[in-house]
Amino acid sequence: KAGVTQTPRYLIKTRGQQVTLSCSPISGHRSVSWYQQTPGQGLQFLFEYFSETQRNKGNFPGRFSGRQFSNSRSEMNVSTLELGDSALYLCASNPLAQETQYFGPGTRLLVL
Amino acid sequence: GESVGLHLPTLSVQEGDNSIINCAYSNSASDYFIWYKQESGKGPQFIIDIRSNMDKRQGQRVTVLLNKTVKHLSLQIAATQPGDSAVYFCAEILLSGGYQKVTFGTGTKLQVIP
Repeated sequence: KAGVTQTPRYLIKTRGQQVTLSCSPISGHRSVSWYQQTPGQGLQFLFEYFSETQRNKGNFPGRFSGRQFSNSRSEMNVSTLELGDSALYLCASNPLAQETQYFGPGTRLLVL
Repeated sequence: GESVGLHLPTLSVQEGDNSIINCAYSNSASDYFIWYKQESGKGPQFIIDIRSNMDKRQGQRVTVLLNKTVKHLSLQIAATQPGDSAVYFCAEILLSGGYQKVTFGTGTKLQVIP
């Protein structure tokens, strides 16, 4: 099976812009989670989707949002970008909500 | 609140020696734990997991030990190789209401000296 794929791999934006990141889970996986990874904060949970419904949400402002489609693909959106949003955004999928997560390569976002 | 932490940011090991990476956790209700390996430019890769009702689990060249008394988790890598150089994360998983809450440690960088 192909692994989790994320697009784009790299992105440069300026403050105030918005960005949409995409994640395609492993075939058959219905749960998708998003994480933000920074040198200072490590891996922080953003949100989890299962069958198109957001089930869990981390402690991030409302500028961070996401959605999941019927084919389990997921997108996350960050509006009004801030410099501190520069990070590696990781997507992980698992077959069901309580099984081990498998990560994609991430999207590296740089906000200037 | 709940937290999972790694105390050693960098560990340098001679090639061929054994490596031990440690992790402390605070939530005694956690159901299982995972070790991930993250190489530069890549996402975390699953290495091994251990259920909370186990003390030890072995994989290929890796062993995870769980000490629930002191809430400590360790990853042992036998005969460390240059390809083992990466950042290692422990993750604590709490199963609740049909879903899971995953908390990651801060990571330990393993440097293998040839």
